[in-house]
Amino acid sequence: AQTVTQSQPEMSVQEAETVTLSCTYDTSESNYYLFWYKQPPSRQMILVIRQEAYKQQNATENRFSVNFQKAAKSFSLKISDSQLGDTAMYFCAFMKQDGSNFGNEKLTFGTGTRLTIIP
Amino acid sequence: KAGVTQTPRYLIKTRGQQVTLSCSPISGHRSVSWYQQTPGQGLQFLFEYFSETQRNKGNFPGRFSGRQFSNSRSEMNVSTLELGDSALYLCASSLNRGSGYTFGSGTRLTVV
Repeated sequence: AQTVTQSQPEMSVQEAETVTLSCTYDTSESNYYLFWYKQPPSRQMILVIRQEAYKQQNATENRFSVNFQKAAKSFSLKISDSQLGDTAMYFCAFMKQDGSNFGNEKLTFGTGTRLTIIP
Repeated sequence: KAGVTQTPRYLIKTRGQQVTLSCSPISGHRSVSWYQQTPGQGLQFLFEYFSETQRNKGNFPGRFSGRQFSNSRSEMNVSTLELGDSALYLCASSLNRGSGYTFGSGTRLTVV
């Protein structure tokens, strides 16, 4: 079974600063996907960024980037130039890459980090 | 394009009753999953459907069931509600493997 650990329950940062959220995971799988999701007070989970384990290059999406260290089983999220709208719960999630072409494997989530951007 | 639509947004039920929640995925998405979110247990996987077949099931009692229709819309049912079933139930759909799920806004179920 896979486990995902987010060791920072809460973080806060001044607007325009950079913040890094930590995530580690444990798995015996060699092929998998990793995701960061954001859940603002509106409750909707929004996909921030995804990473395929076989790709060594770190994924980036505008102000969001990851530091993926496969050997260390670490997948941290860096938010640059933080904005008030980044205030939310952030969840790290793992999905193993099944050989089947049908359907999806389940997402295993961490416990989340509550991020507050201070004006 | 329209996102994942969940209805109703809020629901209050009495212990012992049953409830049905509905989810309409993004057009073209054939994979639909359900998750339960509570403060104590976090986000837990309930089940996943693909082309009307349940492909994956989480560790929940048989009171929790679901189905998917030919148009990919999905429903989940909880029978004999317990207080501990109070939670946010999230539905998510996906176009293909590993692309990441798109979530709905959830149904907040309160059991009294």
